[in-house]
Amino acid sequence: DAGVIQSPRHEVTEMGQEVTLRCKPISGHNSLFWYRQTMMRGLELLIYFNNNVPIDDSGMPEDRFSAKMPNASFSTLKIQPSEPRDSAVYFCASSPGQEFGRDTQYFGPGTRLTVL
Amino acid sequence: GENVEQHPSTLSVQEGDSAVIKCTYSDSASNYFPWYKQELGKRPQLIIDIRSNVGEKKDQRIAVTLNKTAKHFSLHITETQPEDSAVYFCAASGSNYQLIWGAGTKLIIKP
Repeated sequence: DAGVIQSPRHEVTEMGQEVTLRCKPISGHNSLFWYRQTMMRGLELLIYFNNNVPIDDSGMPEDRFSAKMPNASFSTLKIQPSEPRDSAVYFCASSPGQEFGRDTQYFGPGTRLTVL
Repeated sequence: GENVEQHPSTLSVQEGDSAVIKCTYSDSASNYFPWYKQELGKRPQLIIDIRSNVGEKKDQRIAVTLNKTAKHFSLHITETQPEDSAVYFCAASGSNYQLIWGAGTKLIIKP
């Protein structure tokens, strides 16, 4: 099993540019989570999907952030326009989703985003 | 709101000694409590979990205990080794299918 796949692994961009992060969950998993990790705020849940439907996006910091899951094998997190304070490591995680949030989450390798 | 408090934020122990990390949760309905380990520059990975119908669970040098009455759960690592150095996160199941995460504990194993 390839595990959760994220791309790109590193992204450096300038303030104001659009950034798109991509995630492929583990095949057969029904739940997908987007997290942001910084030294100051730790691990923050941004949004999560169950069966491709967004369940809770209350963690999305502001309207500049949006996420989609057009099918069971692909999700994107978009930041437009990007700002320096968005610099962080963004993780995608998936879980089987059979126990409604009470099963193991498998994390991808993360995308390290730097906004100059 | 739902929250999980984790202590200490940093823990330094001598190699071979035991380490204990404690978490307290607020939602009495929480019934799933995983622990994740994150090595420097790597992704968080599950190391052990416990459900509310169990008071203790062990896996080799790692154990987790749960006190539902007090809403406490703890991670115990015995005979610590250099490879145990990492950040450890506790979490508790939330009301809307998500996990509520602790702030993390940086465990340092001194040689």
